[in-house]
Amino acid sequence: NAGVTQTPKFQVLKTGQSMTLQCAQDMNHNSMYWYRQDPGMGLRLIYYSASEGTTDKGEVPNGYNVSRLNKREFSLRLESAAPSQTSVYFCASSDKGSYGYTFGSGTRLTVV
Amino acid sequence: EDQVTQSPEALRLQEGESSSLNCSYTVSGLRGLFWYRQDPGKGPEFLFTLYSAGEEKEKERLKATLTKKESFLHITAPKPEDSATYLCAVQAGGSYIPTFGRGTSLIVHP
Repeated sequence: NAGVTQTPKFQVLKTGQSMTLQCAQDMNHNSMYWYRQDPGMGLRLIYYSASEGTTDKGEVPNGYNVSRLNKREFSLRLESAAPSQTSVYFCASSDKGSYGYTFGSGTRLTVV
Repeated sequence: EDQVTQSPEALRLQEGESSSLNCSYTVSGLRGLFWYRQDPGKGPEFLFTLYSAGEEKEKERLKATLTKKESFLHITAPKPEDSATYLCAVQAGGSYIPTFGRGTSLIVHP
């Protein structure tokens, strides 16, 4: 099983450019999440989707948009990248709220 | 506001030297406490879920315990391959979205 697949693994953007981070899971999980991880800050939730067709803001949603394309796929879009969005981004999925998450391997994004 | 604090921030052990990592929390209505392992350059990997005080879970050299205010991750006779960052997350109240701690970086020297 592939689990949770994120693309790309690395990306460098110039300030103001846009991009979409892709995430797909093959475990038939209902819920999907986008986190960012910064040194000293831990994992912070950007957006989540409790089920297909729904999305909700997390702790740090400003500057991001998401799309739950279908049950498998959940994308994160940066419309106008800023240096403050330099981070490692993780997608995760879970079957039920009380179960542990399965994380992808991450996207390391640098905005210059 | 829910708080999750992990200590120590970093821990260095010799191979075979047992120790414990701590995750203390101040939340209303604990629903679940999760432990994850994260290797450099990779995503967190789920280890355990604990739901109520007194509960214990084990996996190889790792044993997680839970009280009403904190959880411990005990590492018995660690090996260099146990080196990683260990994350704790707490789910509480009416939300199923967990709050993550900042992690403990463990290095086990041969």
